[in-house]
Amino acid sequence: GQNIDQPTEMTATEGAIVQINCTYQTSGFNGLFWYQQHAGEAPTFLSYNVLDGLEEKGRFSSFLSRSKGYSYLLLKELQMKDSASYLCAASDSNYQLIWGAGTKLIIKP
Amino acid sequence: SAVISQKPSRDICQRGTSLTIQCQVDSQVTMMFWYRQQPGQSLTLIATANQGSEATYESGFVIDKFPISRPNLTFSTLTVSNMSPEDSSIYLCSVVDREAGELFFGEGSRLTVL
Repeated sequence: GQNIDQPTEMTATEGAIVQINCTYQTSGFNGLFWYQQHAGEAPTFLSYNVLDGLEEKGRFSSFLSRSKGYSYLLLKELQMKDSASYLCAASDSNYQLIWGAGTKLIIKP
Repeated sequence: SAVISQKPSRDICQRGTSLTIQCQVDSQVTMMFWYRQQPGQSLTLIATANQGSEATYESGFVIDKFPISRPNLTFSTLTVSNMSPEDSSIYLCSVVDREAGELFFGEGSRLTVL
C-alpha cells in the first residue's frame, strides 16, 4: 500500500530550530513536496525535492533521501508567523500526490 | 509562477442544492486538479480536470456528484451536486508549473452546507 507519515503536532520556541520529518512508501515516486498552510487558508508551496540532498531556501531547508523514503523540513530562526500546519506530499511523474496528514507547528515566545 | 483566482471564496448552502466553483489561471496550464480538504484533515484529490475531455476521478468520487468542466487551458469549474452537510469542506483547485517544478493552489472555496 501507499502511505506517508509525519508527526501530528510539534512545539518549538521562537528563535529556535525545528525539524519536521516525513516518511513515505509510494509507487512511482518522483519527488517530495512541502507546503505551509495557515488556518483557513490554502496551502502555499515551500519546496519540491527530486534529488537526494539538502536544498536551502532562506530560513527553510528541505532534505530528501530516496533510498530511505525519508524527507525533512528544517525551519531556522523561528518566528511566531511560522505557526502553521506543514504538509508533505509524495508525487509521481504526473503530479499525482499522496498527502501526509500535516504537522501542526506551535511556536511559543 | 501561476496566479489562480478561485470563486466563490466561501458560501453557505442549503441541503439538496448544487454549487459551482470556478478556477481561473493567468496562464495556460496543462494539468489542473481539484482537491477537497475536510475540517482538520489533509487534502484529498477529487479529480484531474482534462481539457477537452472528461475529468479523471479518484476512487470514491463520481461525475454525477462532482461534475467538472475544462473548456480551455486557463479555466475549470467544479460543481458539488445535491449537497449534504458531509460536503462541508474547503475545495481547492491546483495547477502544475512543470518548468518550475511547482504545484500551486487557488485560495480555496469554503462551503458550509446546512
